[in-house]
Amino acid sequence: EAGVVQSPRYKIIEKKQPVAFWCNPISGHNTLYWYLQNLGQGPELLIRYENEEAVDDSQLPKDRFSAERLKGVDSTLKIQPAELGDSAVYLCASSPGISRGGRNEQFFGPGTRLTVL
Amino acid sequence: GQNIDQPTEMTATEGAIVQINCTYQTSGFNGLFWYQQHAGEAPTFLSYNVLDGLEEKGRFSSFLSRSKGYSYLLLKELQMKDSASYLCAVRDLNSWGKLQFGAGTQVVVTP
Repeated sequence: EAGVVQSPRYKIIEKKQPVAFWCNPISGHNTLYWYLQNLGQGPELLIRYENEEAVDDSQLPKDRFSAERLKGVDSTLKIQPAELGDSAVYLCASSPGISRGGRNEQFFGPGTRLTVL
Repeated sequence: GQNIDQPTEMTATEGAIVQINCTYQTSGFNGLFWYQQHAGEAPTFLSYNVLDGLEEKGRFSSFLSRSKGYSYLLLKELQMKDSASYLCAVRDLNSWGKLQFGAGTQVVVTP
């Protein structure tokens, strides 16, 4: 079974430029998450989708960040314009979903390491 | 919300045992997860506790005490490949599926 796929793996941009990250979750997983991880810290949730609905975006900086999951499968996270402080690893994760019960563990992709110069 | 505390770093010798403690405060506990993360890689699931007690899975065990807001991850027979960051994460009943992660404990295994 294929895991969570993310692209690109690395991205270097200059500040004020736009950038986009793509995520394809595990097949059949209803819930998709975008996290930000700074060096030496744990992942911090940016947004969570249940199918195509964003059910928790309270920590997404909406002035410059946006996300979409139009068909309830893959998702894109965008930053426009990027700032120096956005340099971090952006992780995507997926889980079966609330309705499936159980531990509903999250499976993480390899992440995109963003460097803003 | 949750406050999750775990030590920043621990060092142990190959073949030894290391115990990583995690304390948390939450308004609605609904499960505690441990993840392993090697440098530059994705976190991978290790264990899940929702009831008090010990869960054992091979060389790794995880313990939970809900009344004390406390968990530990026990790594036995340490191997060099166990050098990684270990993340404690708590799920909040009031936000099903949302995990709050600790900062992680960097375990360094020495020969």
